[in-house]
Amino acid sequence: GQNIDQPTEMTATEGAIVQINCTYQTSGFNGLFWYQQHAGEAPTFLSYNVLDGLEEKGRFSSFLSRSKGYSYLLLKELQMKDSASYLCAVRDSNYQLIWGAGTKLIIKP
Amino acid sequence: EAGVAQSPRYKIIEKRQSVAFWCNPISGHATLYWYQQILGQGPKLLIQFQNNGVVDDSQLPKDRFSAERLKGVDSTLKIQPAKLEDSAVYLCASSLDPALQGDENTEAFFGQGTRLTVV
Repeated sequence: GQNIDQPTEMTATEGAIVQINCTYQTSGFNGLFWYQQHAGEAPTFLSYNVLDGLEEKGRFSSFLSRSKGYSYLLLKELQMKDSASYLCAVRDSNYQLIWGAGTKLIIKP
Repeated sequence: EAGVAQSPRYKIIEKRQSVAFWCNPISGHATLYWYQQILGQGPKLLIQFQNNGVVDDSQLPKDRFSAERLKGVDSTLKIQPAKLEDSAVYLCASSLDPALQGDENTEAFFGQGTRLTVV
């Protein structure tokens, strides 16, 4: 079956750096997405990786290793507003999106 | 650019009643998704449309849930009859067709969702 694993919850300190990992086993691969979801709100798109390597976008970066079925989202200079759930999703060979359960990130002052 | 529109935002119904949700995707988006999200979990795909055809409805409880996308634009999701376990947020999302678009600009855009409470 298809599976995406993320840690359930992580805690970090304001101003610090945090890395949220995602491992996947899917039927084929056509890209990996990271979304941010604040409590009570809809998911919003953060990043997209289809080739190996690091994609940087401001304070957020996302890394992909297709051979290892692994990605991470790196958040720098953490702010209180970064407290949210972070969802990893993989598009499989049929262009279906497979979603992880999300990682709840708690930022402490 | 207008986003994905959903209505209603909130709905409270009694079990065994019926309910319908409406979604208007971003103009030009061929792919439309309906997700169910239970608190603390990731989105669960209920049904995916490509234009007005169904691509995947393998996780749709077809004895009580139905969805349609007439004319390949707006979509409605219906639950009849509702059960207590259907209490969740129902999210609609849309995207360009990733099979045609290639790699770029194929992320899914989500509506604000409908929070359904079944009592």
